[in-house]
Amino acid sequence: AQSVTQLGSHVSVSEGALVLLRCNYSSSVPPYLFWYVQYPNQGLQLLLKYTSAATLVKGINGFEAEFKKSETSFHLTKPSAHMSDAAEYFCAVSDNNQGGKLIFGQGTELSVKP
Amino acid sequence: GAVVSQHPSWVICKSGTSVKIECRSLDFQATTMFWYRQFPKQSLMLMATSNEGSKATYEQGVEKDKFLINHASLTLSTLTVTSAHPEDSSFYICSASTGGYNSPLHFGNGTRLTVT
Repeated sequence: AQSVTQLGSHVSVSEGALVLLRCNYSSSVPPYLFWYVQYPNQGLQLLLKYTSAATLVKGINGFEAEFKKSETSFHLTKPSAHMSDAAEYFCAVSDNNQGGKLIFGQGTELSVKP
Repeated sequence: GAVVSQHPSWVICKSGTSVKIECRSLDFQATTMFWYRQFPKQSLMLMATSNEGSKATYEQGVEKDKFLINHASLTLSTLTVTSAHPEDSSFYICSASTGGYNSPLHFGNGTRLTVT
């Protein structure tokens, strides 16, 4: 069975500060990992995905994530937070490289202070 | 890019009535669609997977007779919440893929259902 755990339901950073959102996964098969962003009352937008190629994955809006098998982690980072980054972020795992049946983490709400 | 449209974006209904939510792929053919449910401040829970022309596959614990899913065409899947109750109030989101299990996913903007 696959699962993901996001540490911290709420993260607050100042504008311009580093953003770090944590995600740990559990999978009995090689995982495919995704980060999505959700703005209020909207669907999900794909930020980036890991599909067993490069362990450091670059996504949209300046976000990136690093797959660390030894730590079973896939943390999301952004060097400098913008006000527009305030949203809910979900880590997800799948057994295929495009998504399909996704198992989501609990979500982390990111707040950005001016 | 591929667009998935959900309708309505929000709906209020009385307890005991049924509500239909549509999920349309506007510029691509969606062989597979997924329906998720999201409670406030919580994650998305997969409810069911629907494939065009066949019966939906429901996740454990999801009542298939309460949440009727129809995927009659390659561009439309519907979720009908039958005999809705206040506990069915939630945010329902669909996603669609172009070619089965290994194809890119595109999400709709969700439907906020409130049952009074």
